[in-house]
Amino acid sequence: NAGVMQNPRHLVRRRGQEARLRCSPMKGHSHVYWYRQLPEEGLKFMVYLQKENIIDESGMPKERFSAEFPKEGPSILRIQQVVRGDSAAYFCASSPQGINNEQFFGPGTRLTVL
Amino acid sequence: KQEVTQIPAALSVPEGENLVLNCSFTDSAIYNLQWFRQDPGKGLTSLLLIQSSQREQTSGRLNASLDKSSGRSTLYIAASQPGDSATYLCAVMNRDDKIIFGKGTRLHILP
Repeated sequence: NAGVMQNPRHLVRRRGQEARLRCSPMKGHSHVYWYRQLPEEGLKFMVYLQKENIIDESGMPKERFSAEFPKEGPSILRIQQVVRGDSAAYFCASSPQGINNEQFFGPGTRLTVL
Repeated sequence: KQEVTQIPAALSVPEGENLVLNCSFTDSAIYNLQWFRQDPGKGLTSLLLIQSSQREQTSGRLNASLDKSSGRSTLYIAASQPGDSATYLCAVMNRDDKIIFGKGTRLHILP
C-alpha cells in the first residue's frame, strides 16, 4: 500500500505565476489535509477536505489560495500569482476517516518563488 | 487557542548519552499527541503516537510519555547515535481534527 504521494517534490515559480501542488492520499483514505511549513516556522494547518467538499479552510490565506479534492484524481492546492512569501514546504496528509484518526504525511512539495 | 511549545529549540549531546526532549501544550482537550522526525529538506517520519487515554508509547530506543492534565509530553531517546540527528516535532490533534505542531527541537548527536 503506497503512502501519501505528492508531486512535484520541488517546484520553482517566478513571481506572478501559478503553482499547482498535487496530493494523492493513501488507498482507502477519503480525508485530506494540507499544511504549510514556512522557513524557521512550524507546520501550520491550511485546509481539510473530503471528496468534493471543503470541511475546514480556516488556515488558508483569504486570497490567491484555493484547494479541491475532486471525486476522481488527486487533491490540488492552487496558488495564484505567487509571491516570494509563498516559498515554503507544503505537506499533505490523509486519513481513512475524519475525527481522531491518525494522519499520514506525504514527503512534501518545496515551492521556491524567484 | 492551542499552542505547542518545544524546549529546547536546539540540543547537542555526545554519542551514547540518553536525552529528553520536552513538549508542552496549552489545551488539554486533545485526541492524541504525536512525535515526528524531520531530516533537513525532507518530509515527516512518524515516530510515536499516544492516544489521549494512554500515558506512554515505546518503540525501540524511543519512549514518549503524555501527561494530559499538565499539558506535557517528553520524548526519551536512549543511547543516542549520530543517525538520530534531526529535528523532532511534537504535534497534538485537537478535537476539531486539526494538528497543531511545535516548532521542533534540532538535535545534533556528536560522534
